Amino acid sequence: AQTVTQSQPEMSVQEAETVTLSCTYDTSESDYYLFWYKQPPSRQMILVIRQEAYKQQNATENRFSVNFQKAAKSFSLKISDSQLGDAAMYFCAYRGVFSGGGADGLTFGKGTHLIIQP
Amino acid sequence: DSGVTQTPKHLITATGQRVTLRCSPRSGDLSVYWYQQSLDQGLQFLIQYYNGEERAKGNILERFSAQQFPDLHSELNLSSLELGDSALYFCASSSRDSYTEAFFGQGTRLTVV
Repeated sequence: AQTVTQSQPEMSVQEAETVTLSCTYDTSESDYYLFWYKQPPSRQMILVIRQEAYKQQNATENRFSVNFQKAAKSFSLKISDSQLGDAAMYFCAYRGVFSGGGADGLTFGKGTHLIIQP
Repeated sequence: DSGVTQTPKHLITATGQRVTLRCSPRSGDLSVYWYQQSLDQGLQFLIQYYNGEERAKGNILERFSAQQFPDLHSELNLSSLELGDSALYFCASSSRDSYTEAFFGQGTRLTVV
């Protein structure tokens, strides 16, 4: 079974600075997808960024970027120019792909609580 | 707004009871996923339906069951409820070919007393 580990239960960063959230995963599959989801106090799960395992290029979405190291099974999220609205729980997630097509359910890490200091 | 609708938003019930949570996926999405978020277990995948058929099972208890109807809405049935079943239950949906995107509803907060 796949596992996702987020080793930082909580991180704090000053507004406008950069923070990196760590995630490692374990899988025997070669084809899969990785995600970072944000969960603000409203509890809504919001997709922040995604990475296809077959792509070597790291995904970027505005101030959010990832460092995907497939061999090391590492998938960290970098948030640049942190804003107060970035404060939330961040979940790293893995999705396998069925051999016959279609995608499996997401396996989530335990989450990192990100605090933004004004 | 993700386009995924879950009802009710909140539910309080007693131990031993049975409840039904409802999910309407985004228009056109054939896949529905159910997740449970609790303090001790975190976010766990429960079950997936695709176009009315069960596609994948995660950590779903035997007391729990789900189905997807012809109009693609889905229901999660929780029976013989225990205090430990108190959690936030999410539904997510995705299109058939969308391996990369799953849109989450706002969740149903279940409290078992």
